[in-house]
Amino acid sequence: DAKTTQPTSMDCAEGRAANLPCNHSTISGNEYVYWYRQIHSQGPQYIIHGLKNNETNEMASLIITEDRKSSTLILPHATLRDTAVYYCIVRVNAGGTSYGKLTFGQGTILTVHP
Amino acid sequence: GAVVSQHPSWVICKSGTSVKIECRSLDFQATTMFWYRQFPKQSLMLMATSNEGSKATYEQGVEKDKFLINHASLTLSTLTVTSAHPEDSSFYICSARRTPGQGAEKLFFGSGTQLSVL
Repeated sequence: DAKTTQPTSMDCAEGRAANLPCNHSTISGNEYVYWYRQIHSQGPQYIIHGLKNNETNEMASLIITEDRKSSTLILPHATLRDTAVYYCIVRVNAGGTSYGKLTFGQGTILTVHP
Repeated sequence: GAVVSQHPSWVICKSGTSVKIECRSLDFQATTMFWYRQFPKQSLMLMATSNEGSKATYEQGVEKDKFLINHASLTLSTLTVTSAHPEDSSFYICSARRTPGQGAEKLFFGSGTQLSVL
């Protein structure tokens, strides 16, 4: 799986958009970009994933650059409950028993403050 | 959304005893479940892949005789930490993959088990 690079930490004011970048310059053509987050002392939570088109769901938007070497997760209106570690992961969205072997990096600690 | 239940949430045990952690997929079938471990201020590390009806596959450096995994049904996997020692104290997290054909694009994680070995 391609390696990702994320800033160690970011701050965001409550109510503002949080834009979390991720670099994945060695991503392969068949690798997806996944975002998960982990709130303190809980299991990770799926947020969104995409291949090359921008994606949006009820939680966030994912913007992937045209060359796919980087992406940005956008939380449009951050709340205090969005304070968490955010993980950007790239991997092949294939079947088989190897699916799900997510390799978690250090992620970005997002702190949303009042 | 799909729910994965992990039990217990936390456990304290004496050194040398064994501890069993359960991971259940509540509203979907999971042919494959995964067990992760997370030490304080570190990221999640995959320990093993649990396949229903077959032996688990362990990651390099994980002792299979110490971390026993059983996946006897499509909704339950268990991790038993045998002869636990203080260095086994950690946050253990399971995740489940839906059976293919039921939207397997994402994993669902349990809430984790904090193990403290005295």
